[in-house]
Amino acid sequence: DTGVSQNPRHKITKRGQNVTFRCDPISEHNRLYWYRQTLGQGPEFLTYFQNEAQLEKSRLLSDRFSAERPKGSFSTLEIQRTEQGDSAMYLCASSLERGRNEQFFGPGTRLTVL
Amino acid sequence: GQQLNQSPQSMFIQEGEDVSMNCTSSSIFNTWLWYKQEPGEGPVLLIALYKAGELTSNGRLTAQFGITRKDSFLNISASIPSDVGIYFCAGKTSYDKVIFGPGTSLSVIP
Repeated sequence: DTGVSQNPRHKITKRGQNVTFRCDPISEHNRLYWYRQTLGQGPEFLTYFQNEAQLEKSRLLSDRFSAERPKGSFSTLEIQRTEQGDSAMYLCASSLERGRNEQFFGPGTRLTVL
Repeated sequence: GQQLNQSPQSMFIQEGEDVSMNCTSSSIFNTWLWYKQEPGEGPVLLIALYKAGELTSNGRLTAQFGITRKDSFLNISASIPSDVGIYFCAGKTSYDKVIFGPGTSLSVIP
């Protein structure tokens, strides 16, 4: 399967714990995006990378959130000191940089903070 | 900020019926996208539209990019049970930023 993959698919954690999610993009895609989706809403942009450079961060991305893409391939999203309001689906997408560079999404990581 | 509105919010139809859903925005977009999302999965790209007035089909799906560049519609003909899901429109700006609508939930009654 050469699509976007995300791990884990589900994560249940207690409030205050740290969690880390991983995204592996489509291999030839140099752009990688993170979104958050809550029930009944469309995905909301969090941040994106072009190769290893993080080019934009949404105001939704508080100081407790950090994303990395150290070698320009896979990316990690870490949430420190989780809060119940962090419960959501975290989606990753990737795209080419040029042309009709539409985003293709992974299956998401469902986070539940107890 | 930029916001998209989708109508209807939800719809229940009989198998075999045609479906029409709409997306509007107060802002102009360079590209309109339609995604479908099933429970527990990520959105899947159905159709991308690149020019005002463009009409594009993908099987039983047809979508149009509005002339004003502020709206788009998606039609599904002869619905089948596997069409069930949430359909999101999304607009892409000149900076490649993608804004999603709140979705239209489709239920198909066999």
